Amino acid sequence: EVQLVESGGGLVQPGASLKLSCVASGFTFSDYWMSWVRQTPGKTMEWIGDIKYDGSYTNYAPSLKNRFTISRDNAKSTLYLQMSNVRSEDTATYYCTKDYPGPLDYWGQGVMVTVSS
Amino acid sequence: DIQMTQSPASLSASLEEIVTITCQASQDIGNWLAWYQQKPGKSPQLLIYGATSLADGVPSRFSGSRSGTQYSLKISRLQVEDIGIYYCQQASSAPFTFGSGTKLEIK
Repeated sequence: EVQLVESGGGLVQPGASLKLSCVASGFTFSDYWMSWVRQTPGKTMEWIGDIKYDGSYTNYAPSLKNRFTISRDNAKSTLYLQMSNVRSEDTATYYCTKDYPGPLDYWGQGVMVTVSS
Repeated sequence: DIQMTQSPASLSASLEEIVTITCQASQDIGNWLAWYQQKPGKSPQLLIYGATSLADGVPSRFSGSRSGTQYSLKISRLQVEDIGIYYCQQASSAPFTFGSGTKLEIK
């Protein structure tokens, strides 16, 4: 059974940094592209970016690429999202997803990030 | 970026009714279109990929179609368990943008 378990969220102050993790199981992690997607409190869904199966290539939403970095550790079957200089508009639920590739065929349970002073 | 214009924003329908949700892509995305269902309090789940292919375990009352750059999701006989928010997403070129979502309720 495919499982994606995110962690690392919480309340963070504006301007701070935060690193989210996603531990994958139930499939060969190193064979698949992986993505991060976020959903705002108003339910808007935003694709953040993805990373190639070997970690050699990443894509980002242009509005986020200067502040967000996606990485992975295939030995630990773990995906990461490093967020820096966070803003109130980064308040959202963050999902780790497995790429089919193309469509996102499995999603984690999500982790909430609240940016507030 | 490719824009995905999804409509309607909300929809209230009766049980057993046929429901259709549409997404219009701002440019050609071929069949690189997916639909997701998000039930209340849950994570999104893949429903349709490749514009018309049903994901594993998805009931056959769901179907997807394409006409040019317009894509549709049809629920042939609405059931109670179908309530939630539906999103389209283009997977043609990064950034892989989502539609704005359609909230489906039972009348």
